[in-house]
Amino acid sequence: DTEVTQTPKHLVMGMTNKKSLKCEQHMGHRAMYWYKQKAKKPPELMFVYSYEKLSINESVPSRFSPECPNSSLLNLHLHALQPEDSALYLCASSQVRGGPTYEQYFGPGTRLTVT
Amino acid sequence: AQKITQTQPGMFVQEKEAVTLDCTYDTSDPSYGLFWYKQPSSGEMIFLIYQGSYDQQNATEGRYSLNFQKARKSANLVISASQLGDSAMYFCAMRDSGGSNYKLTFGKGTLLTVNP
Repeated sequence: DTEVTQTPKHLVMGMTNKKSLKCEQHMGHRAMYWYKQKAKKPPELMFVYSYEKLSINESVPSRFSPECPNSSLLNLHLHALQPEDSALYLCASSQVRGGPTYEQYFGPGTRLTVT
Repeated sequence: AQKITQTQPGMFVQEKEAVTLDCTYDTSDPSYGLFWYKQPSSGEMIFLIYQGSYDQQNATEGRYSLNFQKARKSANLVISASQLGDSAMYFCAMRDSGGSNYKLTFGKGTLLTVNP
């Protein structure tokens, strides 16, 4: 089973709202990722968790707050977002091993609109 | 620094024909992995195929094959017998051993349209 699930599928929020995106995988992967993708552009890496610890933060604004409660779950807490934060947010997971030879599996994404 | 180039913003193909999507890469690392992903309009990034830099043979997965030419630093995706459901954005991506093992570098993508 190579499934990564994400909820909600769509989210509309105001700039003063607080919301959370959720991601879950049951493939035993110990690395999980958040990407942001604008229309007609490639995904941009935001955060990486490895063994439930934050490994990479690509200088993401603090209004995005990731959390990895356990090895299967990844959350992205959103607060005081701006309209330019509207995008498709993709979660991914992968094994953790040395070298570049492993694929990342992506979820279906959450389409976020900030009004 | 890593770099992935996809020079075809859009491609059109007739149903049942084969199509090649181009990808060139640049890395000084001898150990790297090349990946192709498909993204339909629904948004999900679907992993298609992987090629390792030390692999002797071109990767194949069903109707997908990767034409790996190491000296030219190209990793073109070949889709045989195109189907209407193949219409999607296709991204080439690379990871090498330099820097973080987690970071994938994506190309800008090629939008494939399969015509009936």
